Amino acid sequence: GAVVSQHPSWVICKSGTSVKIECRSLDFQATTMFWYRQFPKQSLMLMATSNEGSKATYEQGVEKDKFLINHASLTLSTLTVTSAHPEDSSFYICSAPNPWVLGRPQHFGDGTRLSIL
Amino acid sequence: AQSVSQHNHHVILSEAASLELGCNYSYGGTVNLFWYVQYPGQHLQLLLKYFSGDPLVKGIKGFEAEFIKSKFSFNLRKPSVQWSDTAEYFCAVTVNTGGFKTIFGAGTRLFVKA
Repeated sequence: GAVVSQHPSWVICKSGTSVKIECRSLDFQATTMFWYRQFPKQSLMLMATSNEGSKATYEQGVEKDKFLINHASLTLSTLTVTSAHPEDSSFYICSAPNPWVLGRPQHFGDGTRLSIL
Repeated sequence: AQSVSQHNHHVILSEAASLELGCNYSYGGTVNLFWYVQYPGQHLQLLLKYFSGDPLVKGIKGFEAEFIKSKFSFNLRKPSVQWSDTAEYFCAVTVNTGGFKTIFGAGTRLFVKA
C-alpha cells in the first residue's frame, strides 16, 4: 500500500539550531503534501500545504519564515524549522493524499518528535 | 472558517459494548469525510472514508459511519468493541477552498476495558 516516510523520527538539538525534516512518498507521486503539528493530547493542527514546484500555502498564524517548506520533487517535501526555540518543541507529522484512491485519503508519516533544549 | 468538532474527548467502554463517536463539521460545500485511528505508538491510519454514494460506509475492523448531510455529521459506530480497539480516533474533513486541505477534529481517546 501507499507509504509515506518521514525522517528523522526524533531530534534533540540546542536552541538556535535549524532542523530539517523530510517527508517522502515512497510508491506514489504527491504534488501536494501537508505538514501538521500535534501538541500533547491535542489534535493535528494543519501548518501548511506543500505544493510541488510552487510556494507553500501557510495556515493563519504560522510563520512562513520560521517554518520553511520546500517541495522540490514529486516525492519529497521538507520542513525546516529555522532558529528553533523550546516553544517549537512538538510532534510534526507530514501526510500526502493518495491520488489513486477515490476521496484522496491521507497517508501519514510516522512523525518527528522535535525537542529543543 | 471550517472546523470539525468531536463531542467526546475520552470514552471508556467495556468489551462488547457498542460504540458511537460523534463528529460534526462546519463547511457548506462538498466534503470528503474520514475517520482515522491512531493506536498507541503507531501512526495515523485510515479507518473509513466517504466521498459520494451510500451515506453509510463500512470500514475496517467492523467500524461503520453514517454521513447525514442535513446535520453536517459523520458519526462513527461499532456494535461491539474489543480491547484491541483502544486507540485515539480522529474525524477529518477534506474541503476545497482553492486547494484541497484536510481539517481534523480534536480526537477521541477510547479505552476498552477487558
